[in-house]
Amino acid sequence: QQPVQSPQAVILREGEDAVINCSSSKALYSVHWYRQKHGEAPVFLMILLKGGEQKGHEKISASFNEKKQQSSLYLTASQLSYSGTYFCGTEWGGGGADGLTFGKGTHLIIQP
Amino acid sequence: NAGVTQTPKFQVLKTGQSMTLQCAQDMNHEYMSWYRQDPGMGLRLIHYSVGAGITDQGEVPNGYNVSRSTTEDFPLRLLSAAPSQTSVYFCASSYADRAGNTIYFGEGSWLTVV
Repeated sequence: QQPVQSPQAVILREGEDAVINCSSSKALYSVHWYRQKHGEAPVFLMILLKGGEQKGHEKISASFNEKKQQSSLYLTASQLSYSGTYFCGTEWGGGGADGLTFGKGTHLIIQP
Repeated sequence: NAGVTQTPKFQVLKTGQSMTLQCAQDMNHEYMSWYRQDPGMGLRLIHYSVGAGITDQGEVPNGYNVSRSTTEDFPLRLLSAAPSQTSVYFCASSYADRAGNTIYFGEGSWLTVV
């Protein structure tokens, strides 16, 4: 079951904040977040493991609510370089051997 | 530091032709996988491998074949190319530790089947 990402697209002015959500109907072991720019490979941002943790990476942070099977990615004081498509990838069993199931992506456009 | 290397980067095939997308990683990762990316669909898992000699099917395996004779290499074969296989293909390798399973992608291979 493919996780559902929302919103599908966001247009922001530089300096504004954004939240991207990723929901699963199946119990999750972990959620991975990636950013992809046009014509390039997805770039790893962070992993969140079950247990309801939150992580931060400069002005980009994320949370994982195990009860809701939902993860949210927070981008604060957005910069032009944050533009791209954000994907969440979900993993149901631990160990990481059998790949990820990705959402369809959220397009983020940052305008000056 | 090469990471995950894919070749070719671009390829045009005629319907019915066969070809192999090459993937090599130099990070000694146990796990390798192939994804395809189509507009509006996200990345979908084709095949994956948990180690040399072991492969398994992902979400969309039909029309593709893989093998893993070494830890480093994980080629993807298109047996008889069809226009529906026009896509961008990403090879990935990963390892699992206490922090989770970190996946690294290659730069992608753009395939067009005419």
